[in-house]
Amino acid sequence: KNEVEQSPQNLTAQEGEFITINCSYSVGISALHWLQQHPGGGIVSLFMLSSGKKKHGRLIATINIQEKHSSLHITASHPRDSAVYICAVIIQGAQKLVFGQGTRLTINP
Amino acid sequence: GAVVSQHPSRVICKSGTSVKIECRSLDFQATTMFWYRQFPKQSLMLMATSNEGSKATYEQGVEKDKFLINHASLTLSTLTVTSAHPEDSSFYICSASLGARWGNQPQHFGDGTRLSIL
Repeated sequence: KNEVEQSPQNLTAQEGEFITINCSYSVGISALHWLQQHPGGGIVSLFMLSSGKKKHGRLIATINIQEKHSSLHITASHPRDSAVYICAVIIQGAQKLVFGQGTRLTINP
Repeated sequence: GAVVSQHPSRVICKSGTSVKIECRSLDFQATTMFWYRQFPKQSLMLMATSNEGSKATYEQGVEKDKFLINHASLTLSTLTVTSAHPEDSSFYICSASLGARWGNQPQHFGDGTRLSIL
């Protein structure tokens, strides 16, 4: 079983819909990252969280350390949000990121 | 903001060729850089951690002699795929973060290098 599990693996929605992507992990962590990977391969770091909630524009990320769970929300989704969203954690005591398998999001106009 | 530049973006070459990929932090010093590999429709897999001025730390299953990593300065790490074969064809991407306490800093990624070995 992977240390980091994301759901769903694929998500297709209509423009304007509210999107939620979930990430669960099974180990103690020092921080969690949400990343966005575009079709060309480039990766952008969206959030780094160790507790609570962060918001940037239409994106919101939350984390519940006790439940070992994080969510990424996109409000008023747009076709340009179409990408692969990746959850990655820094395991406590380990100097590296461990990645989820990613969620492929497609927003149709 | 912090920028990581990776070059080249795409390489197509014959089997047996050695290929060097560069990862530069343009506006910050990166004590630690990371090299990842990604096969189609799969997640990123950490290959090695590149430490400035010292030997890289390789993940289990990654051949040190096959994937040579050099981190000669605080702004440059290179990955050389030696005697590349078709099975080495993949997407390679690097990342870096500000300073030595990287665990408390966001990761900044290069745009990746798509390597195709014929």
